[in-house]
Amino acid sequence: AQTVTQSQPEMSVQEAETVTLSCTYDTSESDYYLFWYKQPPSRQMILVIRQEAYKQQNATENRFSVNFQKAAKSFSLKISDSQLGDAAMYFCAYIRTYGGSQGNLIFGKGTKLSVKP
Amino acid sequence: DSGVTQTPKHLITATGQRVTLRCSPRSGDLSVYWYQQSLDQGLQFLIQYYNGEERAKGNILERFSAQQFPDLHSELNLSSLELGDSALYFCASSVGGLAGYVQFFGPGTRLTVL
Repeated sequence: AQTVTQSQPEMSVQEAETVTLSCTYDTSESDYYLFWYKQPPSRQMILVIRQEAYKQQNATENRFSVNFQKAAKSFSLKISDSQLGDAAMYFCAYIRTYGGSQGNLIFGKGTKLSVKP
Repeated sequence: DSGVTQTPKHLITATGQRVTLRCSPRSGDLSVYWYQQSLDQGLQFLIQYYNGEERAKGNILERFSAQQFPDLHSELNLSSLELGDSALYFCASSVGGLAGYVQFFGPGTRLTVL
């Protein structure tokens, strides 16, 4: 069975600084996607960034980037120039794809990020 | 706004009761997923429907059931409710297939069982 592990229950960063959130996953599949979702106090689940496993290039979305190490099964999220609005729970998620279909998302337990002014 | 709507936003009920949660997916999305978020279990997949048919089941209790209607909206029915069923229930939708693997989440329904 696939699993996703986030080893940092809580992290803190100073405003305008950079922070990296860790995620590792375990799978024997070759076709999958990885995501980071953000859940602010409103509880809405917001997609931050996604990475296709077959792509070697790390995904980037403005201040958010990932370090995808497929062999190590590691998928970390880097937030640059942190802003107060980045304070939220961040979830790493995995989805298996197969024969043109997709499975369900498997989530890690989350990392609560605090941003200090 | 993700385009996925869920009603109601909050639901307070008593043990032993039955409730129905409703979800309308984004326009054009054929897949609907239900997830449960609780403090002790985290985010867990419950069930998936694709174009009206059940596609996959996760950790869904026998007291829970779901369906997807011809207009693609979905309902999650929870019966014989227990205190431990108190959680945030999310619906997510996607186009389906490799072209639409990203799931967009609704705002959730907060269920409190007293």
